[in-house]
Amino acid sequence: QVQLVESGGGVVQPGRSLRLSCAASGFTFSSYAIHWVRQAPGKGLEWVAAISYDESRKYFADSVKGRFTISRDNSRNTVLLQMNSLRPEDTAIYYCARRHWALDAWGQGTLVTVSS
Amino acid sequence: DVQMTQSPSSLSASVGDRVTITCRASQGINNYLAWFQQKPGEAPKSLIYGTSSLQSGVPSKFSGSGSGTDFTLTINNLQPEDFATYYCQQYDTYPYTFGQGTNLEIK
Repeated sequence: QVQLVESGGGVVQPGRSLRLSCAASGFTFSSYAIHWVRQAPGKGLEWVAAISYDESRKYFADSVKGRFTISRDNSRNTVLLQMNSLRPEDTAIYYCARRHWALDAWGQGTLVTVSS
Repeated sequence: DVQMTQSPSSLSASVGDRVTITCRASQGINNYLAWFQQKPGEAPKSLIYGTSSLQSGVPSKFSGSGSGTDFTLTINNLQPEDFATYYCQQYDTYPYTFGQGTNLEIK
């Protein structure tokens, strides 16, 4: 079955970096775009970033542009979200999701806390 | 950016009721509208894509409609497991944007 598993979350000080990983299984990973969506505590969903199936196109929310980068390794069925210059407002659960028509499959999320 | 406005932000209903949630886009989105259900402590679950197409495994009590900038999610015969938060999302243009959510509570 389709499965997405995020990892790499944790507590980090403002200004530091963190790298999240999304490991996929159960489908032909190299055929699908992968997105990241985050949810601050008690708040709604915020789209963060996306990468096309072949890594040729990458998109970012204005709130993270210039600080976050996204990459993928189709040989390892993995997408990475590199988060630099982290701010307290980046505190959230980060979900990765597969784009198939829409965002049809989601991981369970990984919590990132930015605090001194 | 396309702004998505959901209403109501919260809704109280009883088991067996039919409810409708609306979502308005700030510009046309070519029917690239999805709906998600989220329960506390869980990841969002995809219900509907392309305005009205049900994701595999989603019961037919859920339905979506609309066009242009105005869209609706209807849930028939509410059951206890349906009480959750619902979000709309446009995926026509980047950045993708979500509505603020509708918290569906038991009356």
